[in-house]
Amino acid sequence: EAGVAQSPRYKIIEKRQSVAFWCNPISGHATLYWYQQILGQGPKLLIQFQNNGVVDDSQLPKDRFSAERLKGVDSTLKIQPAKLEDSAVYLCASSLDPYSNTIYFGEGSWLTVV
Amino acid sequence: GENVEQHPSTLSVQEGDSAVIKCTYSDSASNYFPWYKQELGKRPQLIIDIRSNVGEKKDQRIAVTLNKTAKHFSLHITETQPEDSAVYFCAASKGAQKLVFGQGTRLTINP
Repeated sequence: EAGVAQSPRYKIIEKRQSVAFWCNPISGHATLYWYQQILGQGPKLLIQFQNNGVVDDSQLPKDRFSAERLKGVDSTLKIQPAKLEDSAVYLCASSLDPYSNTIYFGEGSWLTVV
Repeated sequence: GENVEQHPSTLSVQEGDSAVIKCTYSDSASNYFPWYKQELGKRPQLIIDIRSNVGEKKDQRIAVTLNKTAKHFSLHITETQPEDSAVYFCAASKGAQKLVFGQGTRLTINP
């Protein structure tokens, strides 16, 4: 079974530039999550989608972060403009549905803002 | 909202010994408690989980215990091996609510 796919794996940008990350969840998984993992910390949920609708985006810095899942499958997370403190690993994850609890993570997209 | 505290932040044990990592949570309504293992540069992977209707669960050398009254749960690894070296995260959630993760424990197994 294919896992959660993410790209790019690594990205270095200057502050105030923009960046976009792409995620393809496990086939058939209706729920998709974007987590931010700062070095030395646990993952923090940024946004949760159920199909193409947003379930929880309470911790998404909406002045600079945006995410979409237009067709209920792939998702894109964008940061514009980036700040130094956005340097982190952005983990996409998916689950069958929000009640299944078991979520599967992708390998992550490592962002360095200089 | 839910808050999860994890201790210790680093743990070093001799190969063959046992390792214990502890987490506390704040929301008494939380009912799902997974543990994830993350090797350097890799994705977090679920290694074991427990629901609030169970007090203990075991899978080979790994076990998790839950004390709902005290609102804490622990990961126990017995007969540790070098490949157990990684960062371990606990998490908690309720129903369809988001998983809230602890800060992580870096476990090092010394040969």
